[in-house]
Amino acid sequence: EAGVTQSPTHLIKTRGQQATLRCSPISGHTSVYWYQQALGLGLQFLLWYDEGEERNRGNFPPRFSGRQFPNYSSELNVNALELEDSALYLCASSPGTSGDMYNEQFFGPGTRLTVL
Amino acid sequence: LAKTTQPISMDSYEGQEVNITCSHNNIATNDYITWYQQFPSQGPRFIIQGYKTKVTNEVASLFIPADRKSSTLSLPRVSLSDTAVYYCLVGVLSGGAQKLVFGQGTRLTINP
Repeated sequence: EAGVTQSPTHLIKTRGQQATLRCSPISGHTSVYWYQQALGLGLQFLLWYDEGEERNRGNFPPRFSGRQFPNYSSELNVNALELEDSALYLCASSPGTSGDMYNEQFFGPGTRLTVL
Repeated sequence: LAKTTQPISMDSYEGQEVNITCSHNNIATNDYITWYQQFPSQGPRFIIQGYKTKVTNEVASLFIPADRKSSTLSLPRVSLSDTAVYYCLVGVLSGGAQKLVFGQGTRLTINP
């Protein structure tokens, strides 16, 4: 069974640009989570999507947004990039049973975003 | 946002039992406590999850006191391959909504 996949592996942008990160969940999983892992700040919850809808959001500004497609894949968009957005962005999926955000999450390898 | 705190690092030796505690004073009432393991250049991997008392699986045990304001991950008879960063994950109330909050992670080093 294929795991969670993310693309691209690495992404280099300049300040002020937009970045788009993609995630494909494990087949059959309907929930997708996004996290930011910046050096020295640990794992920070960004967004949770379930059945195509945004269910929960962490304490990040509105320039961090995303969506979930009908096939349950997801996209994270970061607008007006700032230097401090440089981080590893992790996507996770879960079966999404009963819309519970505490199901076991299966993580992808991440996208390393560097903002110059 | 309320902090979820863990020791930054721990050292132990092969064959020992290791206990890592996470403090989560503002845990939401009905939410689970989950622990993850992360190796360098990989995403976190689920270890164990519980709501209260004690949970055990093939790799770890999780102890949760009655007030649920902390939890302890117990790794029996660790080996060198258990060297990794361990995170607790809980839901806390923030601004009237439940948010997922990871602890800052405990870097566990197992020595021969």
